[in-house]
Amino acid sequence: DTAVSQTPKYLVTQMGNDKSIKCEQNLGHDTMYWYKQDSKKFLKIMFSYNNKELIINETVPNRFSPKSPDKAHLNLHINSLELGDSAVYFCASSITGTATYEQYFGPGTRLTVT
Amino acid sequence: EDKVVQSPLSLVVHEGDTVTLNCSYEVTNFRSLLWYKQEKKAPTFLFMLTSSGIEKKSGRLSSILDKKELSSILNITATQTGDSAIYLCAVAPHPQGAQKLVFGQGTRLTINP
Repeated sequence: DTAVSQTPKYLVTQMGNDKSIKCEQNLGHDTMYWYKQDSKKFLKIMFSYNNKELIINETVPNRFSPKSPDKAHLNLHINSLELGDSAVYFCASSITGTATYEQYFGPGTRLTVT
Repeated sequence: EDKVVQSPLSLVVHEGDTVTLNCSYEVTNFRSLLWYKQEKKAPTFLFMLTSSGIEKKSGRLSSILDKKELSSILNITATQTGDSAIYLCAVAPHPQGAQKLVFGQGTRLTINP
């Protein structure tokens, strides 16, 4: 009965490679997010999709491309990986409305670029 | 730029102690403030505060928002080793629609037996 799941949990790859991280939620939420947590544990928003439409796109290199095939899935593709991309990437989901709703986070994907 | 600052960054106490964690913010179009607990993996939701002065409580944890001071505190009484975690404060600055959360850097709480 996993609410927000991500695959893979760990990803070790070399500089210059292209990789993808997948996220799925079974909560019936209509909005999904990608966050990056650096080594200092700072969580920063990268992207947000609402009903498959890109809503938030923070200042993120265009090597990062999110894709939402449907509102239960949000994938993150990263091209030409760099050392500085090493971090934990969290997917989250929430309901959207006029109020704020809590976001539910996935277990994270620890990406290590060597 | 929207900003959330937590203090202290790190706190070590003994089991049974009471702790207070602080969060201050500077954001436009404030909607809500949220507290999360992060143990080994995913942050898990604790509280959401929208109105000033109304305490939210869950067991030994409680939190309150002060919109005048642009701050919030999270209290944990009779701490247990299981309370050891990073506590994250986040603010939702968007007026409506998809909610971008702006997080603070977290307070790492360690409870020693």
